[in-house]
Amino acid sequence: DVKVTQSSRYLVKRTGEKVFLECVQDMDHENMFWYRQDPGLGLRLIYFSYDVKMKEKGDIPEGYSVSREKKERFSLILESASTNQTSMYLCASISKATKYYGYTFGSGTRLTVV
Amino acid sequence: GQNIDQPTEMTATEGAIVQINCTYQTSGFNGLFWYQQHAGEAPTFLSYNVLDGLEEKGRFSSFLSRSKGYSYLLLKELQMKDSASYLCAVTQAAGNKLTFGGGTRVLVKP
Repeated sequence: DVKVTQSSRYLVKRTGEKVFLECVQDMDHENMFWYRQDPGLGLRLIYFSYDVKMKEKGDIPEGYSVSREKKERFSLILESASTNQTSMYLCASISKATKYYGYTFGSGTRLTVV
Repeated sequence: GQNIDQPTEMTATEGAIVQINCTYQTSGFNGLFWYQQHAGEAPTFLSYNVLDGLEEKGRFSSFLSRSKGYSYLLLKELQMKDSASYLCAVTQAAGNKLTFGGGTRVLVKP
């Protein structure tokens, strides 16, 4: 079974802190994604990556950056956390060869910025 | 741009059938996914449609009409454990990013 692991389930950070959310997948997937999920807004794409050292902006990249130094790891960085970044963050990965099964998601990180 | 619409909430009785509709307008199309998400958990894959027609998987079926930009997820013989949010998502290319609708919360009552 594919596993996508997010380093923290719950996180509380202060306004202005730099925050790192880590995501690791163990199935050699090329494509990785970061979404945030808010009530009434669904899942919105922040950043994605189709290869090592490659990144592309999603629909709401402002205030975020990402890093993909190794194929299995995709990190989301909040440069200076703000209260409007309080949300559930979901990482996902997919192999180009298994498109029919969609993403595998991590269990999510619920981030609270105070 | 992309637009995916689905109802916000639906209520049904245990043992009944519920149909969740999803309409989409996207600049490209390479498939539509349905995911189930229980409260506080990650979404899990339910179905994938890329051609018109009905795909059946046990109690769950998914239908697609590409010409109408329309899909539905049919849940039969509802069980209490089916209480969850159901997410409709469209991809424009294989392995590519998914665009999600807002999700439909289904509440199953005894």
